[in-house]
Amino acid sequence: GAGVSQTPSNKVTEKGKYVELRCDPISGHTALYWYRQSLGQGPEFLIYFQGTGAADDSGLPNDRFFAVRPEGSVSTLKIQRTERGDSAVYLCASSLDGGPNTEAFFGQGTRLTVV
Amino acid sequence: AQSVTQLGSHVSVSEGALVLLRCNYSSSVPPYLFWYVQYPNQGLQLLLKYTTGATLVKGINGFEAEFKKSETSFHLTKPSAHMSDAAEYFCAVIEGSQGNLIFGKGTKLSVKP
Repeated sequence: GAGVSQTPSNKVTEKGKYVELRCDPISGHTALYWYRQSLGQGPEFLIYFQGTGAADDSGLPNDRFFAVRPEGSVSTLKIQRTERGDSAVYLCASSLDGGPNTEAFFGQGTRLTVV
Repeated sequence: AQSVTQLGSHVSVSEGALVLLRCNYSSSVPPYLFWYVQYPNQGLQLLLKYTTGATLVKGINGFEAEFKKSETSFHLTKPSAHMSDAAEYFCAVIEGSQGNLIFGKGTKLSVKP
């Protein structure tokens, strides 16, 4: 596609439920990143994929969070047993090769609200 | 670990006035530095970046930033603000070699007519 696409744009879920957030990166981009942006804060790194593998998942806050990218393109961020503190905008970005000198392009984000 | 500090969560200027948004970073290695802009209900868009070479970097929409190693700063400027510049601005630094960004908390810019 022309840009990074994230679905849904908004998600409201009840505390304790499971959610999946989808990211469709720019075609041909091998690097994919997930970030979380809480109200009044800058985006915080969650996980980085290079191809199909998670090269760095050090930003995942706990084991309720998990992400996959099985075919090296679309990625899904999965959150189990959601808590109110998980409410945030989840951003996805992709870049051509993940190097520091290549531009990362961001999607518009998924706003997750846990009630 | 690298970090970014943006001074001022909210800056207000008059249309036509100078825009100055401050960013300081900490890094133990030569940094890659970025400014992103986020308009309401839109994704982050790259304004400009510093990697190596010339320390004065020009970006889109008339913005520029200067890398000052001695001051560990990368302040964003624009000589004359437009109403359309109203947005939130994020300074960021690359951590490591894999491209994941460390962001500051952001500065919301308001432009008064």
